Amino acid sequence: AQSVTQPDIHITVSEGASLELRCNYSYGATPYLFWYVQSPGQGLQLLLKYFSGDTLVQGIKGFEAEFKRSQSSFNLRKPSVHWSDAAEYFCAVAPLTGGGNKLTFGTGTQLKVEL
Amino acid sequence: DAGITQSPRHKVTETGTPVTLRCHQTENHRYMYWYRQDPGHGLRLIHYSYGVKDTDKGEVSDGYSVSRSKTEDFLLTLESATSSQTSVYFCAISEEGMSSYNSPLHFGNGTRLTVT
Repeated sequence: AQSVTQPDIHITVSEGASLELRCNYSYGATPYLFWYVQSPGQGLQLLLKYFSGDTLVQGIKGFEAEFKRSQSSFNLRKPSVHWSDAAEYFCAVAPLTGGGNKLTFGTGTQLKVEL
Repeated sequence: DAGITQSPRHKVTETGTPVTLRCHQTENHRYMYWYRQDPGHGLRLIHYSYGVKDTDKGEVSDGYSVSRSKTEDFLLTLESATSSQTSVYFCAISEEGMSSYNSPLHFGNGTRLTVT
């Protein structure tokens, strides 16, 4: 069964500092990979996604993520964090085949930004 | 933003009472989902629908039922609410299925349900 691990429950960074949120997945083959963001009081919004090709993918709001097959990781990064980036971030994984309804979310990382 | 409206946004109810949450979409998407979000568990799928009157269970479906009589509406019912069902409930929609690469999920803003 596929699974997603986000080892950091909470992360605090200073505004302007760089950010990396970790995501590790367990699956038999390279799956579809997603990062979603949830601002307070709102639903989740897709930040970026990866299927194949270039292992560094760009998303919205200046975020990027790097796929590393050898480490089964899909870490999210941002070079300079803004106060408005404070939110909860979810990594998710889905199989390439076998139906369209097997998406698994991680438990989320809460990001706090200090001014 | 995708046209998804969840109602009510907040509800407090007593143990043992029935509760119905509504999700309404204006996107004409085929797939609709109900998730619950709890600290330490992330999002867990309750039920989903792949068309009018076509529904299936998710990983945490016990104590919940759903109905979809029209493309735009997906109802989640707690037949007899329990305190363990206190949670934030999210509706989501998708054109091709939640794990579709080309048609990711769009979420509503959630319903906060408290069962006392």
